[in-house]
Amino acid sequence: GAVVSQHPSWVICKSGTSVKIECRSLDFQATTMFWYRQFPKQSLMLMATSNEGSKATYEQGVEKDKFLINHASLTLSTLTVTSAHPEDSSFYICSARPAGANYGYTFGSGTRLTVV
Amino acid sequence: KNQVEQSPQSLIILEGKNCTLQCNYTVSPFSNLRWYKQDTGRGPVSLTIMTFSENTKSNGRYTATLDADTKQSSLHITASQLSDSASYICVVSARNSGGGADGLTFGKGTHLIIQP
Repeated sequence: GAVVSQHPSWVICKSGTSVKIECRSLDFQATTMFWYRQFPKQSLMLMATSNEGSKATYEQGVEKDKFLINHASLTLSTLTVTSAHPEDSSFYICSARPAGANYGYTFGSGTRLTVV
Repeated sequence: KNQVEQSPQSLIILEGKNCTLQCNYTVSPFSNLRWYKQDTGRGPVSLTIMTFSENTKSNGRYTATLDADTKQSSLHITASQLSDSASYICVVSARNSGGGADGLTFGKGTHLIIQP
């Protein structure tokens, strides 16, 4: 089955630094990847949609200059949290959809970001 | 506005017992509905996916039902095990203009605890 690998699984960083999270589709090509954040006991909230080779589409209220998304290949998307602050601490999850599939979303295992 | 409501918000049952989780949605036009299991600190894992024409689908001890007329779905867990303790998330996709699934709407999930 489709596998999405997300790395790192957890990271602790100091305020003001940047953190990069990787999302890889291991056995399929993903033209579209999605980035979510999830607060404790809350549902997943879509942050942005990234399409290979083009700019990401951000949801309302998500700062594109703070959450940089790069989808340079069909198997890799990255989310960089720039100048992180404690309020950015959250669980970040990516998902990917195989090229040509109408509804085959697979989620990564998530990244727990703690900003101190 | 597309919405997905899940109930109950949380549930505690004894190991070996059955339980049923509910999902009501207002997503339109409907494409498909999925149930995911999310362990604490992990990404969601797909349990079932149903399209408009399907009204039941099983995956081991998990059985999902869909009533597209009333826009309701349920997830029935049989003979619960301790490892079933997790959040169960109902996700509904709207059909885009091209006919494929697009725009996932997430429920807030049901937090299930199985007690020995």
